[in-house]
Amino acid sequence: GAVVSQHPSWVICKSGTSVKIECRSLDFQATTMFWYRQFPKQSLMLMATSNEGSKATYEQGVEKDKFLINHASLTLSTLTVTSAHPEDSSFYICSAPTPLSNEQYFGPGTRLTVT
Amino acid sequence: GENVEQHPSTLSVQEGDSAVIKCTYSDSASNYFPWYKQELGKRPQLIIDIRSNVGEKKDQRIAVTLNKTAKHFSLHITETQPEDSAVYFCAATFNFGNEKLTFGTGTRLTIIP
Repeated sequence: GAVVSQHPSWVICKSGTSVKIECRSLDFQATTMFWYRQFPKQSLMLMATSNEGSKATYEQGVEKDKFLINHASLTLSTLTVTSAHPEDSSFYICSAPTPLSNEQYFGPGTRLTVT
Repeated sequence: GENVEQHPSTLSVQEGDSAVIKCTYSDSASNYFPWYKQELGKRPQLIIDIRSNVGEKKDQRIAVTLNKTAKHFSLHITETQPEDSAVYFCAATFNFGNEKLTFGTGTRLTIIP
């Protein structure tokens, strides 16, 4: 099946710094990618839809100036958490729908810990 | 927007017995309903999905049923095994999976050996 990768798999950063997370579709082109956040023992909550060549669409309550999304190419979307705080500590997962398929493929996730 | 409710939140069953997890959705435009299994610290894995033009789908020990009129769908796991222990999420979306997924709250399934 299709492969989506994420980097890094885990990151620890200090409060006030910024962290960039990459999501890549390795064997298909993705004009759209989705970014989800999952707190411990909770469900996946959509943060934003990343669109290649245009601005991301953010879900209600998600600060677009804090969570910067750039869909630089048909295989790469990046999520930058700016001025991170401990409450941003979470598991961030991206997904991408594949062409000619119903299925969305998920990246392995990035565990962010802000100290 | 879409809202998906999932029950129960936890479920323990004896090995070999069946497990059933139920979800309801709110948006009648939703037409694709996947089920995911997630192990601790890992990505969700698609285990089965169903489109709105189908009432039931089966894959070995796993089956999903859909009732469009009532807007609910269920996951059935038969002959459960210890490796079935995980958190299961249902989801709903439209445009057959090419759009954002709305997830249920999850069910922690524990298989008792």
